[in-house]
Amino acid sequence: QVQLQESGPGLVEPSETLSLTCTVSSGSITSYYWSWIRQAPGKGLEWIGYIYYSGSTYYNPSLKSRVTISVDTSKNQFSLQLNSVTAADTAVYYCARRHYYYDYFDYWGQGTLVTVSS
Amino acid sequence: EIVLTQSPGTLSLSPGERATLSCRASQTVSSRYLAWYQQKPGQAPRLLIYGASNRATGIPDRFSGSGSGTDFTLTISRLEPEDFAVYYCQQYAGSPWTFGQGTKVEIK
Repeated sequence: QVQLQESGPGLVEPSETLSLTCTVSSGSITSYYWSWIRQAPGKGLEWIGYIYYSGSTYYNPSLKSRVTISVDTSKNQFSLQLNSVTAADTAVYYCARRHYYYDYFDYWGQGTLVTVSS
Repeated sequence: EIVLTQSPGTLSLSPGERATLSCRASQTVSSRYLAWYQQKPGQAPRLLIYGASNRATGIPDRFSGSGSGTDFTLTISRLEPEDFAVYYCQQYAGSPWTFGQGTKVEIK
């Protein structure tokens, strides 16, 4: 069964860049889309974007100007960069696998809390 | 963007009771491209239902999904203690993929 694990700093200063990595284990990163989804404290879920193993990306228009998702197939990892962060970007960030054919998410990481504060 | 509105916000029920959760979309969700997830405190969401009515692998048959167009329902036929959680719907008919704000099923 595929497992995903997020890693990265838990605290980021305002206006800086948030950087997270998701490591995929017990399965290959190839042939799937890999996504980032976030959940602000006490709020619902927000899809950030996803990347195909070949490098094609698709972003939520609401975040597109600030987001970059990249993939490293040699390490079975993909990454998120969100720049110019504010307190509104404080959230639990999840990485997840998009289903092979459809745009729902069948495997998720445990999530990592990122707080934006000075 | 398709906005999903879930109701009620909180459902207070006892174990063994039936739970009925609603998800209404701001426009038609074509091909019934709607999923349901369960989230327990401190845990990642877990896929329950896809295609509006198809149970994901390993999901008990007390969970069922129905609906089409703009109105969808998740039903838990008899609540087990482990079913008390927050439930989210998600549409994947049109990008950006969006989630509802969630329904909390709590013990009465």
